[in-house]
This record gives sequence, C-alpha cells and structure tokens, in this order.
Amino acid sequence: DAKTTQPTSMDCAEGRAANLPCNHSTISGNEYVYWYRQIHSQGPQYIIHGLKNNETNEMASLIITEDRKSSTLILPHATLRDTAVYYCIVRVGNTGNQFYFGTGTSLTVIP
Amino acid sequence: GAGVSQSPSNKVTEKGKDVELRCDPISGHTALYWYRQSLGQGLEFLIYFQGNSAPDKSGLPSDRFSAERTGGSVSTLTIQRTQQEDSAVYLCASTKGGMNTEAFFGQGTRLTVV
Repeated sequence: DAKTTQPTSMDCAEGRAANLPCNHSTISGNEYVYWYRQIHSQGPQYIIHGLKNNETNEMASLIITEDRKSSTLILPHATLRDTAVYYCIVRVGNTGNQFYFGTGTSLTVIP
Repeated sequence: GAGVSQSPSNKVTEKGKDVELRCDPISGHTALYWYRQSLGQGLEFLIYFQGNSAPDKSGLPSDRFSAERTGGSVSTLTIQRTQQEDSAVYLCASTKGGMNTEAFFGQGTRLTVV
C-alpha cells in the first residue's frame, strides 16, 4: 500500500520548470511527504521532504496543499540529467519509519 | 566512507544455493532498511532495523529470507535456496532515525539466479 498516486509518465522541455504532482489523500497528521528520484541502475537519491509547509532546497521546491492531500515537486530549470523516475512517498509505520515506494513518475526531459 | 556501501555489486548464483548480501550503513545511523527492486518495478520493502529494537520483518517474502544487523552497524541479508524469482537489485538504506530524517541508499547488489 503505497498511499500515493502519481502519473505514470511526464515530459518536460529542457530549461523549463518540471511540475510533478502527487496525491496522498489518506495522509495522517504526523506523516511526512518525501521525494526521491532514481536514475537508471542507480540507488534512489533523496530530493526533499516536508510535513505541511512548503520547502525549498538546492535541488527542488515542494509545495504541499493546505489540506495535505496532495503535493507538487518543482524542478525549476529541468536539465537532461533530471530524466529519472520520481517517487513521492508518505512515510508510515508505528514508528514512522517505513518508506513505501509506489511506481513513481517517469520524467523525460526533452532537448 | 561517506555513503552507504553494499557488496558485492553483482552476484550470479545457481538456483538452490544460498547467498549473503552485505550493507555498511553511514556511521552513526541507527536505522537500516533493505529493499528489493525487480526489473522495471518499484522498490519493495523487506526489513527494517532501528537501534536495539526488534526488526520489522513484515516485508520478507518467505522464510528463505533473513537478515541480521551486528553491533548496530553492518547488516547481512541472507537468501537460502535461491530461486529464479529472487533475481533483483537489493538495496540498502540508512537514516539517523525519526520521521524527519532522509534515508540514504546504497547502489545496490544485482542478484541473478541462473
């Protein structure tokens, strides 16, 4: 039970912002939203995470709706190296530690 | 090293043999996870260790799979009597613990059962 829903695939033009949506309508009040990406044949790479406030780091921005039922990962200026599978994860468990990966969104950045 | 280290990076084994996969987490990280990823699929949770607590084994697919973590650091995932369906990439991750800390993944061990 991944607890998140993402589009299977998306395209984005190089240099443009990539906006990756995620639905997590059953999220609980103390569960964080995490984003990872996986480039072919590599281990997943951490991008960003948040609870209810919007977050920004050197890689991306995370926008979480006020009701917390959905979020959007924004890559402000997509490059060809951002082509990857992006996973939106709600961290669950009694001790809040399992990361349940769904099938993710395959993002292709087009030259 | 600075990151999570897994060995071997590749392992080919004959059906029916036992295999051991090793994970060296980041120093000081109290939580350790094992996942597996079959070709073209997402990550499947296997087992989770947190400090001295009993591990969460809820993701292990059968009793042929087991894992241990010695001294709160290095972990070994053992698969007995391997089957072809065990072929996958086995990934290890570690965190400092707590819900507000990211997990760092190793590069995985690609297991092929022939």
